[in-house]
Order: sequence, then C-alpha cells, then structure tokens
Amino acid sequence: AQSVTQPDIHITVSEGASLELRCNYSYGATPYLFWYVQSPGQGLQLLLKYFSGDTLVQGIKGFEAEFKRSQSSFNLRKPSVHWSDAAEYFCAVGPFTGTASKLTFGTGTRLQVML
Amino acid sequence: GAVVSQHPSRVICKSGTSVKIECRSLDFQATTMFWYRQFPKQSLMLMATSNEGSKATYEQGVEKDKFLINHASLTLSTLTVTSAHPEDSSFYICSAYNHDAGGQYFGPGTRLTVT
Repeated sequence: AQSVTQPDIHITVSEGASLELRCNYSYGATPYLFWYVQSPGQGLQLLLKYFSGDTLVQGIKGFEAEFKRSQSSFNLRKPSVHWSDAAEYFCAVGPFTGTASKLTFGTGTRLQVML
Repeated sequence: GAVVSQHPSRVICKSGTSVKIECRSLDFQATTMFWYRQFPKQSLMLMATSNEGSKATYEQGVEKDKFLINHASLTLSTLTVTSAHPEDSSFYICSAYNHDAGGQYFGPGTRLTVT
C-alpha cells in the first residue's frame, strides 16, 4: 500500500530564513509526487510535481523539491521564506498511469513564519 | 489555467436536510473529479472518484447513499449530502484531473455546518 509521511507537524522559521519540509513515501511502483499548499479555509494549490527527469524540480513561488529514490524522499525547499508562505503544506503520491488516479496525502506540515 | 471552482463556499443547513455542492473545472475538461473531506487540522480523506457519464467509485467506509455524486458533464460534478447530520459538518474539497497538465487541481473548498 502506498503511504506518505511528513514527520514534522509544525515548523516555525524566521522570515528570510531557508526552509526544508520533509516528505517520505512508500510506493510499489514509479511514484508521481506532488507538493500542495493550503492557506486557512482554502483549497489546495499545486506547488510542483515530479515524475521523471531531473530530480530537482522547480515550482511556483520560489519553491523547489528534490527527489531522492534511494531515500524515498521528496523534500520541499525554499531559500528565503516570506511571511506569506505561512500555510499548511501537503506532500502526495500517486501512480502515473496517464490517466487520473487517486492521490495519497501526507498529514501535512504547518509552517509558521516569524517576522 | 487549470482553475476549479466550488459553490457554495459556505453553507449552513438544518439536520435532516440535503445539501448540494458543485465542483466546476472552468478552463479545462475533466473526465475525472475527486471529492475529499477534511477535518480540522487534518489531511484530506478521499471520499470518492467521480467519472463523467458513469457511477462514482466510493472509498471504503463512505456511504454512497448518503453522499450522492453526479458527474453529468465534463466540467461539472456535484456532491449531495443527503439527510445531513451534525457529524457531516466538515470541509469538503473537490479536485479535477487535468490531463494536459498532468495533475489534480483543487477547488477552494466548501465549509458545511449542520445544525
């Protein structure tokens, strides 16, 4: 069965500091990996996704993520956090079949940004 | 591109009544849409997969007679919560699969409160 672990429930960083959110997955086939961000009371916005190719993926809002197959990880990073980045971040995994398939989400990491 | 809307954004209803939530893909066609439920400070729980022109596929433990899903067109799926009870109060989020973009795009969510 597929699963996603986000070990950090809550992270606090200072504005301007670097950020890394951890994500580990368990998947039996080639995974299709996603990071989403959710602001309070809002839906999810896709930050970036990875299926194949360059293991360092660039996303929106200055975020990037690195796929490490040997560690089954897909950590999200940002060099300099802005106060507006405070939100809930979800990592998700699904199969890449060329058609829509359901995703498995991690439990999320809540990011707090100190001014 | 890849915008998904939901209506209403918030709804309060009395116990025993039914509520319909709409999910629309605004700038793409989606043969597959997904309905999730999210409890406070928790991750998303997939309720069902909605396929245009066919019956929805429900996840284990989700009552299909209580949560009616209709996907009558390539841009619209509806979730009807029948005979709602206070324990149905939650945040309901839909997503639509965008085949060209290769991923799920989420609506802003609907906050349902049953009194």
